Amino acid sequence: AQSVTQLDSHVSVSEGTPVLLRCNYSSSYSPSLFWYVQHPNKGLQLLLKYTSAATLVKGINGFEAEFKKSETSFHLTKPSAHMSDAAEYFCVVSERVNTGKLIFGQGTTLQVKP
Amino acid sequence: IAGITQAPTSQILAAGRRMTLRCTQDMRHNAMYWYRQDLGLGLRLIHYSNTAGTTGKGEVPDGYSVSRANTDDFPLTLASAVPSQTSVYFCASSVLGQDAIDTQYFGPGTRLTVL
Repeated sequence: AQSVTQLDSHVSVSEGTPVLLRCNYSSSYSPSLFWYVQHPNKGLQLLLKYTSAATLVKGINGFEAEFKKSETSFHLTKPSAHMSDAAEYFCVVSERVNTGKLIFGQGTTLQVKP
Repeated sequence: IAGITQAPTSQILAAGRRMTLRCTQDMRHNAMYWYRQDLGLGLRLIHYSNTAGTTGKGEVPDGYSVSRANTDDFPLTLASAVPSQTSVYFCASSVLGQDAIDTQYFGPGTRLTVL
């Protein structure tokens, strides 16, 4: 069975410093992996997705994530945080045999301090 | 193009009452989903539909029912609401091709409070 664990429930960074949001997954199949962002009182928006074509995935707003099979990780990074990055981030896993079912992590709240 | 719309935006409901949350998409996506979001638990799948006329149970289906009479609409019904169903409900849709790595597109959510 698939599962995903976000290792930090809350991350606080200063504006202009790097962002690291950690995610580990467990999957019986070759996983599809996603990061979604949710701004306050908004729906979820896709940041990026792993398609197995390349292990380093670039997304919107300067975010990227690296798929590491040996570590079963899919950490999200950004070189320099902006105030607008403050939001809730979800790491998500889906079966390769696509039922469309997504398994969400618990979420990480990113706080960006001026 | 609106994408996915949900109604109502928010609702306060007495326990025992029946409630239907509405979801409509205009992207002609085959698959649709209902999730609930609770603090510290992320999003959990309630029900899904891979195509019009079919539905399936997700992780937390008890107390909820769905129907998919056409491609665009996917209403979620609480037959007799209970306080534990207080949550934020999100509808989503995806193309769901055969061996596709599917992106789900989410609606803005419905905040439901059951007293």
